[in-house]
Amino acid sequence: ILNVEQSPQSLHVQEGDSTNFTCSFPSSNFYALHWYRWETAKSPKALFVMTLNGDEKKKGRISATLNTKEGYSYLYIKGSQPEDSATYLCAFYTSGTYKYIFGTGTRLKVLA
Amino acid sequence: GAGVSQSPSNKVTEKGKDVELRCDPISGHTALYWYRQRLGQGLEFLIYFQGNSAPDKSGLPSDRFSAERTGESVSTLTIQRTQQEDSAVYLCASSPQPGLAYEQYFGPGTRLTVT
Repeated sequence: ILNVEQSPQSLHVQEGDSTNFTCSFPSSNFYALHWYRWETAKSPKALFVMTLNGDEKKKGRISATLNTKEGYSYLYIKGSQPEDSATYLCAFYTSGTYKYIFGTGTRLKVLA
Repeated sequence: GAGVSQSPSNKVTEKGKDVELRCDPISGHTALYWYRQRLGQGLEFLIYFQGNSAPDKSGLPSDRFSAERTGESVSTLTIQRTQQEDSAVYLCASSPQPGLAYEQYFGPGTRLTVT
């Protein structure tokens, strides 16, 4: 059974703090890792699609790294803002299947 | 352009009744996925469509669940004889093609409550 784990489950930070969270996934048969942001009452929206070991992606204050050999990805938020409050999901896509296995998410609350 | 839409947005039904949930994917997207999220849990894969066929139904929790897709467009997820444990948010997502690392575009979800 493929398992994707995210930590921490939830996180409260002050506005301006930088933070990071982890997604752990099986290191074999890796094909892609996705990060999504899911704001309350909205649909999940893709942040990054990562496919290569050592990938680093950046979008504004948010960045992500990928280590496929050891099976983890980090998501970093620099200078957190209240609008960053959301659940951050990672999804692992393994070669040979057509499905994404989602982690349970990290729920981030940024306090003004 | 138009995103993925789902209807209804909310559905309250009595235990034992059948329900149909609808998903309209982004036009031209050949891959379509159904997920559900029960309270306190992560997103759970239910079924995947490539065009109108479903190569992977492994996530459907029981034979009370079925799904179809027509015209490489609209999909319906049907739950027969609903049970309280079926209460969840049901999300649909589409992507341009399957089997590649395309991002998924999610709909707003249908919140199903079985009383």
